[in-house]
Amino acid sequence: DAGVTQSPTHLIKTRGQQVTLRCSPKSGHDTVSWYQQALGQGPQFIFQYYEEEERQRGNFPDRFSGHQFPNYSSELNVNALLLGDSALYLCASSAGFTGELFFGEGSRLTVL
Amino acid sequence: AQSVSQHNHHVILSEAASLELGCNYSYGGTVNLFWYVQYPGQHLQLLLKYFSGDPLVKGIKGFEAEFIKSKFSFNLRKPSVQWSDTAEYFCAVKGYNQAGTALIFGKGTTLSVSS
Repeated sequence: DAGVTQSPTHLIKTRGQQVTLRCSPKSGHDTVSWYQQALGQGPQFIFQYYEEEERQRGNFPDRFSGHQFPNYSSELNVNALLLGDSALYLCASSAGFTGELFFGEGSRLTVL
Repeated sequence: AQSVSQHNHHVILSEAASLELGCNYSYGGTVNLFWYVQYPGQHLQLLLKYFSGDPLVKGIKGFEAEFIKSKFSFNLRKPSVQWSDTAEYFCAVKGYNQAGTALIFGKGTTLSVSS
């Protein structure tokens, strides 16, 4: 049973560019959440998708957007990258809203 | 706004020592509480959770945590740590009436266990 898978694992972009990160949830899970984890910090909630809609959003600017597909997989898009967007981006899936999340290994984004 | 505070940034212990990691949260209502662990080179995984009932909850690998409502605390404990417990530990809270599953995480505590 595959867990949460994310791609790519590492990527380097320059300021002003755009990036797309992808996530496949754990089998049987229908809810996908995205978190940003800066160095030395805990994960910060970006947004959550359920039934292909954004259900909840954290305190992130509109440059951060996402999508969920009918097969429950999800994408995180970040436009106009800033140096401060350099972080580990974590995808987490769950079945329902219990808060018991299963995390992927993350996509490490470096913005130069 | 909800927040989670983890008091210890880095804890260094010898094997067999006892462990207690502090976690306090701020939220006025009913909460769900979690401890997640990230072993070196691995993804975050759930260690234990509290939803309701017995405030002393047991998780994997001999860990336990106690919810003290009056102190807004959810401290993690283990009587005797092992070298394999070396990891980063995150406390997280979800407001019960909060739609969705957005968790608020603390900044984490790095535990280093020497053999």
